[in-house]
Amino acid sequence: GNSVTQMEGPVTLSEEAFLTINCTYTATGYPSLFWYVQYPGEGLQLLLKATKADDKGSNKGFEATYRKETTSFHLEKGSVQVSDSAVYFCALSEYAGGTSYGKLTFGQGTILTVHP
Amino acid sequence: NAGVTQTPKFRILKIGQSMTLQCTQDMNHNYMYWYRQDPGMGLKLIYYSVGAGITDKGEVPNGYNVSRSTTEDFPLRLELAAPSQTSVYFCASRQNQPQHFGDGTRLSIL
Repeated sequence: GNSVTQMEGPVTLSEEAFLTINCTYTATGYPSLFWYVQYPGEGLQLLLKATKADDKGSNKGFEATYRKETTSFHLEKGSVQVSDSAVYFCALSEYAGGTSYGKLTFGQGTILTVHP
Repeated sequence: NAGVTQTPKFRILKIGQSMTLQCTQDMNHNYMYWYRQDPGMGLKLIYYSVGAGITDKGEVPNGYNVSRSTTEDFPLRLELAAPSQTSVYFCASRQNQPQHFGDGTRLSIL
């Protein structure tokens, strides 16, 4: 079956530090890949996505590149802010011909805390 | 736009009680989902629906039931609450990707 593995957390950084959160996946077929962010007390929000190999998703200074050869979708940001403190989830959705119901398979989440 | 609305936001139940978690979306999405989020874990799919009148089990359906009588509403029912059902529950909907999530219901069973 499909699976997503994220780097163990929590991650604690100082403001303006470089961020990498690793994500690798296992899937049959050609999944779409996502990063969702969950701020305290809120639901999940889509941060960025990529739908095919070598696509780069980007949003709010965050980037991730779909690497089929390494089955990875690592999240990066060059300079984090205190407001980036949240839980980050990597996820995949596999399109299975014409019968997909679009289920998302999630990683376990990585807690990011950014200090001033 | 309201998006996906879940009620209640918090609830405490006693073992053996029943309740319904409400989920409504105003985006006319066909697909709707219920997930649970346990500490240190990713979200697990409980049930999903591909349209009004059609529902199916996800990864962890035991102890839950759903119905989809309208496009907008997708309630999740717990018939006999158990401590293992203490979790945060998220409803989501989509037409195409991505899924849109509600703010969640935090449920404690004591």
